[in-house]
Amino acid sequence: RKEVEQDPGPFNVPEGATVAFNCTYSNSASQSFFWYRQDCRKEPKLLMSVYSSGNEDGRFTAQLNRASQYISLLIRDSKLSDSATYLCVVNRQTGANNLFFGTGTRLTVIP
Amino acid sequence: GAVVSQHPSRVICKSGTSVKIECRSLDFQATTMFWYRQFPKQSLMLMATSNEGSKATYEQGVEKDKFLINHASLTLSTLTVTSAHPEDSSFYICSASPGGSNQPQHFGDGTRLSIL
Repeated sequence: RKEVEQDPGPFNVPEGATVAFNCTYSNSASQSFFWYRQDCRKEPKLLMSVYSSGNEDGRFTAQLNRASQYISLLIRDSKLSDSATYLCVVNRQTGANNLFFGTGTRLTVIP
Repeated sequence: GAVVSQHPSRVICKSGTSVKIECRSLDFQATTMFWYRQFPKQSLMLMATSNEGSKATYEQGVEKDKFLINHASLTLSTLTVTSAHPEDSSFYICSASPGGSNQPQHFGDGTRLSIL
């Protein structure tokens, strides 16, 4: 079983739509969680960290369910510029960079 | 914010050539940097952890003699792909963080390596 699993998509949504991505991780000892965004042929860029209590940054909301080992990202009022691949990233171990990346979920926002 | 610079961004060379990729932290010091590889439509995979002033730590299955890592200063790590072959063609990315290893990593621009 993969460390981090994501639905690869693609998700094709109209502008203004709300879209949600899900991610599961296999190791219950995982410590930190992130969503990164990767544009085609570019490096990943941090979108947001994911906290146990859930957190919001503008149109983006991240949720973590440790019991179910499940992470989500909600994007409201989608913009064309949101089109990208969204990577779910899990760090297993405090003090070390045991980062595990999902394969990413491809989002295309359509005019 | 923290900036990580990687150079070159694109390399095309013949089989058997050795290629050096540089990763620099521009506005912070990084005792640890990380090197990843990403094949098309696949996840980023950690290749090795670069430690300033000491030997790199390689992930299982990554040949240390093939992928030479040098971290001679707190702002520079280099990855040299020795005697590259077509199967080494990939997207290589480095990362670092001013906050330490378990903080969000900032990635370099990546190097797209194509071996003919």
